[in-house]
Amino acid sequence: GAVVSQHPSWVICKSGTSVKIECRSLDFQATTMFWYRQFPKQSLMLMATSNEGSKATYEQGVEKDKFLINHASLTLSTLTVTSAHPEDSSFYICSASILAPSYNEQFFGPGTRLTVL
Amino acid sequence: GIQVEQSPPDLILQEGANSTLRCNFSDSVNNLQWFHQNPWGQLINLFYIPSGTKQNGRLSATTVATERYSLLYISSSQTTDSGVYFCAVVDRGSTLGRLYFGRGTQLTVWP
Repeated sequence: GAVVSQHPSWVICKSGTSVKIECRSLDFQATTMFWYRQFPKQSLMLMATSNEGSKATYEQGVEKDKFLINHASLTLSTLTVTSAHPEDSSFYICSASILAPSYNEQFFGPGTRLTVL
Repeated sequence: GIQVEQSPPDLILQEGANSTLRCNFSDSVNNLQWFHQNPWGQLINLFYIPSGTKQNGRLSATTVATERYSLLYISSSQTTDSGVYFCAVVDRGSTLGRLYFGRGTQLTVWP
């Protein structure tokens, strides 16, 4: 199956700093990538949809100035948590979509666990 | 957006038992996926099944799109099957393939 990588797998940072998370599709080109956030024992919550070469579409309630998304190529999307605070601590997961006529399966990265002190 | 309901929310089994997980959705879909989230948080694709029946080893899935539900069958369960099982769908009108997730079924298999 298709492989999606995420880096770093975990990060601890001080309050007020920025953290960048990379999401790569390793063996396919993804026109669309998605960023999710997951709290303990809860389902995945979509934060934004990212298309290569265009601005990301953010879900209601997600601050676009705080969670900066860049989709620079068909294999790379980045999420930057700016001025992180303890309430931003969470598990962040990206996914990449293979879009073709009558087929649009999503594949997920392994996630990044962010802890803000 | 489309509503996705999974049942049961929790399931505890002894090794070797069989189980059925259910996913109901509120509108027409053009994609349905089943995932297993392992203890490290990785979502593993189990099935891409907008309709019909598929089997992969001890797992099989059936989606009846006209009746808006899907079932995931796990036979002869093993401790390694433990984790959270998610159902997620893309509504028929979507152009970007946005997935709507259910709340998941937490499966615990005891030896």
